[in-house]
Amino acid sequence: QTVVTQEPSLTVSPGGTVTLTCASSTGAVTSGYYPNWFQQKPGQAPRALIYSTSNKHSWTPARFSGSLLGGKAALTLSGVQPEDEAEYYCLLYYGGALIFGGGTKLTVL
Amino acid sequence: QVQLVESGGGVVQPGGSLRLSCAASGFTFSSYGMHWVRQAPGKGLEWVAFIRYDGSNKYYADFVKGRFTISRDNSKNTLYLQMNSLRAEDTAVYYCAKDGLRLAAAGYGGVDYWGQGTLVTVSS
Repeated sequence: QTVVTQEPSLTVSPGGTVTLTCASSTGAVTSGYYPNWFQQKPGQAPRALIYSTSNKHSWTPARFSGSLLGGKAALTLSGVQPEDEAEYYCLLYYGGALIFGGGTKLTVL
Repeated sequence: QVQLVESGGGVVQPGGSLRLSCAASGFTFSSYGMHWVRQAPGKGLEWVAFIRYDGSNKYYADFVKGRFTISRDNSKNTLYLQMNSLRAEDTAVYYCAKDGLRLAAAGYGGVDYWGQGTLVTVSS
C-alpha cells in the first residue's frame, strides 16, 4: 500500500519562510508524479495552489512556490502572512490513481 | 466562472446505495476529466475516482473498487458517483473536482476547481 507522507504540523512566524514536504513510500518523488498542492481552511473546500511540481494557478499568491527537494515534492512559503494559517495537502499521481498526503497543519505564530 | 455543485448526499444505512451528482458550468465540461475526492469528519483528503473527459477511462482508489462507479453525461454537463455496499467508513463530505488539463488521458492534470461538497452519512 502506497503512502504519501507530509509533516503533521509546522509553525512559522509572520514574515518568515517555511518549507513543507511530500514524500512517497515508493521512492523519490519526480516530476512524473505531477505534484499538486492545496490549501484548506476550516469549513471551506480546498483551494488549488500548485500543479505539476512548480506551476502556479492564476490566483496563487507569489509567495507560494513549488519544487522538488531531496527526493520529495516541496511547497515553500516566503514572507508568510497570518492568513496562510491552514492545512496543506499534496497530491501525487501514480499512473492512474492519485494519492493525497496526510496534510500539514501550518500555524502562523 | 467555473461552478461545480454537488447533490445527492444524505443518510443511508450500512449496505445501502446512494448516487451523487455534480452539475458543472463555466467551462467546456466535455473537454476535461473529473475527480471525486472525499473527506471524513476531522480527517484529511482522500482521492476517490477519476473519469476521462470522454468517459473512456476510469480509475479508482483501492478502497472503493468494485463498490463505487464514476460516470458522466456530457450532454447534461453532469458527473455522477454511484456508491453501493456503503460502510460506516464511507461517511464523508464528497467533493466534485475538475482536472486541470484539457483532453488529458488520465488524472495527471491534478485538480484546479472544487465544488463545495455534499455530506454522506452511513449509519443505522
